Amino acid sequence: AQSVTQLGSHVSVSEGALVLLRCNYSSSVPPYLFWYVQYPNQGLQLLLKYTSAATLVKGINGFEAEFKKSETSFHLTKPSAHMSDAAEYFCAVIAGNTDKLIFGTGTRLQVFP
Amino acid sequence: DGGITQSPKYLFRKEGQNVTLSCEQNLNHDAMYWYRQDPGQGLRLIYYSQIVNDFQKGDIAEGYSVSREKKESFPLTVTSAQKNPTAFYLCASSINAGGGNEKLFFGSGTQLSVL
Repeated sequence: AQSVTQLGSHVSVSEGALVLLRCNYSSSVPPYLFWYVQYPNQGLQLLLKYTSAATLVKGINGFEAEFKKSETSFHLTKPSAHMSDAAEYFCAVIAGNTDKLIFGTGTRLQVFP
Repeated sequence: DGGITQSPKYLFRKEGQNVTLSCEQNLNHDAMYWYRQDPGQGLRLIYYSQIVNDFQKGDIAEGYSVSREKKESFPLTVTSAQKNPTAFYLCASSINAGGGNEKLFFGSGTQLSVL
């Protein structure tokens, strides 16, 4: 069965520092992988998605993620954090033929000035 | 503007009471979903519907019920059988539920609390 594991429920960085949010997946078939962002008291917005077209995926707000099959990882990065990046980030995978989206437990990003 | 509207934003439930959360979309999407969000647990799928008049149980359907009588509407009822209903509920939709790479559009959520 497909699943994702997000390492670290909280990540804190200084403004301007590199952002790295970790996600590892488990899948018996080639996965579709997603990163979503949630701002306080709001729904989720899609940041980016991997659908096998390219291993390095660029998303909105300067975020990108690299699919590494050998490491079963899909880590989210941004070269320089901005205060407005403070939010909760969810990694997700499509669960095979059911088309259900399975979410990780989320990582809350704090950005300090 | 097209989007998903959830109402109310905050809802309180008394012991033994059923409450219904509203979800309406004007995106002409076929598929709709209900997720429950608890701190530290991410989002868990309650029910989903791929087409009008059809819906499927998700991972935590017990104590919940849904209907899909219209394409644009997918209300969720939290019944008295749900013993721990306090959570943030998110509705989502996608163009369809096939293919595996659809983008989900989310509403802004309903916070349900027990009095």
